[in-house]
Amino acid sequence: GAVVSQHPSWVICKSGTSVKIECRSLDFQATTMFWYRQFPKQSLMLMATSNEGSKATYEQGVEKDKFLINHASLTLSTLTVTSAHPEDSSFYICSARDNGGEAFFGQGTRLTVV
Amino acid sequence: DAKTTQPTSMDCAEGRAANLPCNHSTISGNEYVYWYRQIHSQGPQYIIHGLKNNETNEMASLIITEDRKSSTLILPHATLRDTAVYYCIVRVAAGNQGGKLIFGQGTELSVKP
Repeated sequence: GAVVSQHPSWVICKSGTSVKIECRSLDFQATTMFWYRQFPKQSLMLMATSNEGSKATYEQGVEKDKFLINHASLTLSTLTVTSAHPEDSSFYICSARDNGGEAFFGQGTRLTVV
Repeated sequence: DAKTTQPTSMDCAEGRAANLPCNHSTISGNEYVYWYRQIHSQGPQYIIHGLKNNETNEMASLIITEDRKSSTLILPHATLRDTAVYYCIVRVAAGNQGGKLIFGQGTELSVKP
């Protein structure tokens, strides 16, 4: 299957700072990417849908000014957690959809805010 | 997308078949049944999907009832590495306008020696 790579795999940051997570489709072009968040012992929660060259669509309850999404190319989307706080500590996962409509997932990024 | 109902957890003996059920009684005619699994601290992995016919690949088999209101994922010979959370998801047909994947709680499968 197609490969989706996230970077970094884990990150620790201080409260109040911003963190950027990258999601790359390595061997296909992804017009649509999805960002999920997962807390311990819970399922994945969709945060937003990102379409290349346009603004992301956020799910209800997700603050768009806090979770900045950029999808400037067909192989790269970024999620920036701004002014991070301990409650933002979570496992963030991206998914990229190929032209056939199938979704492939990155390996996830573990964010810890101290 | 339609909701799905899965048992919270299941156990399976190593080497035996694991049968994971999923109810999707409100599925629409154009919605597919997808199965993913998530091993601890990793991203979800695609397993299989189908519309109405039974499907088989190198990982698993998918049995969909005739009325499409439920399905069963079968891992024919479970190994310890199959221990994971298995998610059953229904979504509109694949393609450029394919729907977003909404995850339910899934079934935590524990394969035991």
